[in-house]
Amino acid sequence: EIVLTQSPATLSLSPGERATLSCRASQSVSSYLAWYQQKPGQAPRLLISDASNRATGIPARFSASGSGTDFTLTITSLEPEDFAVYYCQQRGNWPPLTFGGGTKVQIK
Amino acid sequence: QVQLVQSGAEVKKPGASVKISCKASGYMFTSYYMHWVRQAPGQGLEWMGIINPSGGSTTYAQKLQGRVTMTRDTATSTVYMELSSLRSEDTAVYYCARDLVAGTPSGAFDVWGQGTMVTVSS
Repeated sequence: EIVLTQSPATLSLSPGERATLSCRASQSVSSYLAWYQQKPGQAPRLLISDASNRATGIPARFSASGSGTDFTLTITSLEPEDFAVYYCQQRGNWPPLTFGGGTKVQIK
Repeated sequence: QVQLVQSGAEVKKPGASVKISCKASGYMFTSYYMHWVRQAPGQGLEWMGIINPSGGSTTYAQKLQGRVTMTRDTATSTVYMELSSLRSEDTAVYYCARDLVAGTPSGAFDVWGQGTMVTVSS
């Protein structure tokens, strides 16, 4: 089973600042990594698929990169609605599909 | 619009079973695989398994093998997830989630249900 480790666990930033989130896989997942955003009481929402492809309707301030074992999600300028928990998820080697433990982006 | 609507919250005793429904609308039901994902309170996301709504074939997470059953009803565009021998650790929000790609199980999720809270308590 592929283990995904996200860092940091919590990121405290102000609106307008840049957020950089990391996801590391225990073995290569090629480019088969997705990112999801989850707000309290809501289901996760797909942001990025296949390492860098923004999902429909996702603003351009969200971008992602990486391949193999190291991946990054960047939010260039945080909007108030971006404060949430972000999960990475791999589909490079499954079953099982696995998720990282999440990074909480909170208001500083 | 594409939508997944799940059944309501459940409270069960340890050892019981729970069956959750997920009704799809706004797209061709049999064209997209469906996954189930759960989230314990304050915890991360755990993939439970996948069903092909067309043929009904399933693949389950190994840790749930023998306790989980996923089925579908093409007449009502509904998938079901039944979990048996419930224990307190099964307390979680359960989500159905549509696979991203039509016709093949890609392993990413583009549409999610609203979630169903299952509480296991004596």
